[in-house]
Amino acid sequence: GAVVSQHPSRVICKSGTSVKIECRSLDFQATTMFWYRQFPKKSLMLMATSNEGSKATYEQGVEKDKFLINHASLTLSTLTVTSAHPEDSSFYICSARPRDRVVNEQFFGPGTRLTVL
Amino acid sequence: DAKTTQPTSMDCAEGRAANLPCNHSTISGNEYVYWYRQIHSQGPQYIIHGLKNNETNEMASLIITEDRKSSTLILPHATLRDTAVYYCIVKSGGSNYKLTFGKGTLLTVNP
Repeated sequence: GAVVSQHPSRVICKSGTSVKIECRSLDFQATTMFWYRQFPKKSLMLMATSNEGSKATYEQGVEKDKFLINHASLTLSTLTVTSAHPEDSSFYICSARPRDRVVNEQFFGPGTRLTVL
Repeated sequence: DAKTTQPTSMDCAEGRAANLPCNHSTISGNEYVYWYRQIHSQGPQYIIHGLKNNETNEMASLIITEDRKSSTLILPHATLRDTAVYYCIVKSGGSNYKLTFGKGTLLTVNP
């Protein structure tokens, strides 16, 4: 149980285009999902917290108009990188927190590797 | 959330126990200790968590000192597939669920 999927696993796009990444909790409901970014040889950096039915909360320094987050259901959150540029190339990872858990146990997706040419 | 300190890297022989230390000297009474790991180019994987008592599950054991200022994650019989970066995170309960990942410990299991 507690599986989180991401789609696509890899994407290559041209500079200036937009890319949508999906994060799904497959066998549980998640009121809260998180989006992280990880550059090579670096640790995960939290970008934003996504709550079902409400606006996402972005970390300091993350442009909300560039990284659009939608959490329309208890099992799906999407991250859209708008007008992507080469510096947005990174490994994007989501996590989901089951709604019925008391402690802070999160389950992570396998990640999406974005390459912007 | 309390800061944690972990060694940058460790090596372990396959089949032997891997003991990964974590210092969290400023931990407060309501903060849990969580361990996650990340195998190269994959998403992190939850391993175990604890508050005061030692914990064990199918993956690992977590030993927390009596003063809670440090803990040790134990992989009893390390395999090559356990090679990963291991993150120790201290986090309070409540409604703020954000996890802050430090640099972690790169555990390399050698044949």
